[in-house]
Amino acid sequence: DTAVSQTPKYLVTQMGNDKSIKCEQNLGHDTMYWYKQDSKKFLKIMFSYNNKELIINETVPNRFSPKSPDKAHLNLHINSLELGDSAVYFCASTLTGVTGNTIYFGEGSWLTVV
Amino acid sequence: AQSVTQPDIHITVSEGASLELRCNYSYGATPYLFWYVQSPGQGLQLLLKYFSGDTLVQGIKGFEAEFKRSQSSFNLRKPSVHWSDAAEYFCAVGRKAAGNKLTFGGGTRVLVKP
Repeated sequence: DTAVSQTPKYLVTQMGNDKSIKCEQNLGHDTMYWYKQDSKKFLKIMFSYNNKELIINETVPNRFSPKSPDKAHLNLHINSLELGDSAVYFCASTLTGVTGNTIYFGEGSWLTVV
Repeated sequence: AQSVTQPDIHITVSEGASLELRCNYSYGATPYLFWYVQSPGQGLQLLLKYFSGDTLVQGIKGFEAEFKRSQSSFNLRKPSVHWSDAAEYFCAVGRKAAGNKLTFGGGTRVLVKP
């Protein structure tokens, strides 16, 4: 009954490959996010979707493409992986329009590009 | 633009001693403030949050934080640290508009000595 679940948790892949990370939330939330945590533990938002519409798109290479098939899912596809893409990617979700709403994070997906 | 500063990169504390982690934010309006904890190899867990009302908020695991508008601070405290509190702690500021994006501080790593 995990609230925000991501797969895979660990991923090791070679440079130039294309990979996807999937995220699902069962909280009934309408907004989902992808955050990236770099090797220095710094966390930065990448994308946000509200009701399947992209509402936040920070400065991220266009090799990264999020896709939200429905409110409960937000996947992250990465083309032509580079060494610098190695990081932990966190999916998160929240219910907007509610004062005091909390953003819940998944367990993270550890991506290593070799 | 909103920003968060955690001045201490790491703190070492003896088990049973008190702990205080500093957080300063920059935001034009009344902020939504959060503290998250990340244990090694784990995801982000919400410790507590402040939206309005009482400026002293209680969280899980015996943590509390105090919002001081005049100092733009939201420091986290725990009276007596346990070895299991060794982790990375992140302060974050959010806003209700624009998808409730969170901006994180750089984190403070807490080491607990026996």
